[in-house]
Amino acid sequence: EADIYQTPRYLVIGTGKKITLECSQTMGHDKMYWYQQDPGMELHLIHYSYGVNSTEKGDLSSESTVSRIRTEHFPLTLESARPSHTSQYLCASSVGTAGGEKLFFGSGTQLSVL
Amino acid sequence: AQSVTQPDIHITVSEGASLELRCNYSYGATPYLFWYVQSPGQGLQLLLKYFSGDTLVQGIKGFEAEFKRSQSSFNLRKPSVHWSDAAEYFCAVGAGNTPLVFGKGTRLSVIA
Repeated sequence: EADIYQTPRYLVIGTGKKITLECSQTMGHDKMYWYQQDPGMELHLIHYSYGVNSTEKGDLSSESTVSRIRTEHFPLTLESARPSHTSQYLCASSVGTAGGEKLFFGSGTQLSVL
Repeated sequence: AQSVTQPDIHITVSEGASLELRCNYSYGATPYLFWYVQSPGQGLQLLLKYFSGDTLVQGIKGFEAEFKRSQSSFNLRKPSVHWSDAAEYFCAVGAGNTPLVFGKGTRLSVIA
């Protein structure tokens, strides 16, 4: 059902590298989100966007940045990866009222920073 | 701001037994309430949601949840668990046009 794609699926990189996690959706949803998920922990919202050229920071302080130049694309960038960034990153999208609509999730990117 | 508590980190049930996963929320008004399921290595999938009206909500895969305003709860239930139900379950609360807030999740294990 989900038409939201994340790449890469797994990524292992060294400290200090710049990386971009890709997220694309083909549903035309105006709202997109990035969540960080550690084992046994809740999903932490790190960035969200309610439309093109609109981005906001979430509840979790993050050293990452995002952009929303096209409706379907919402990449997340880490300028200098650190071991503390090791986590799973989930992208999601929705349409309508943010608090009341179903989220469609990608399969996630598991990032390991050595 | 809204918040969610899932008191049980891990639950183990026998296949065929009934299941109840607990969820308590904090919000001043009636929120939007959701249950999502996450299978290993996958994103989250919506099981069911509550907006208003009937407080007993039916979802996919035989799950249901009951909204109890007096207890600020939205517990998830299933009368007979299948081995394929083993997964992580997340309760979430939404309000207005702000993004959903998720609980820490409850991991469900199913034994034969």
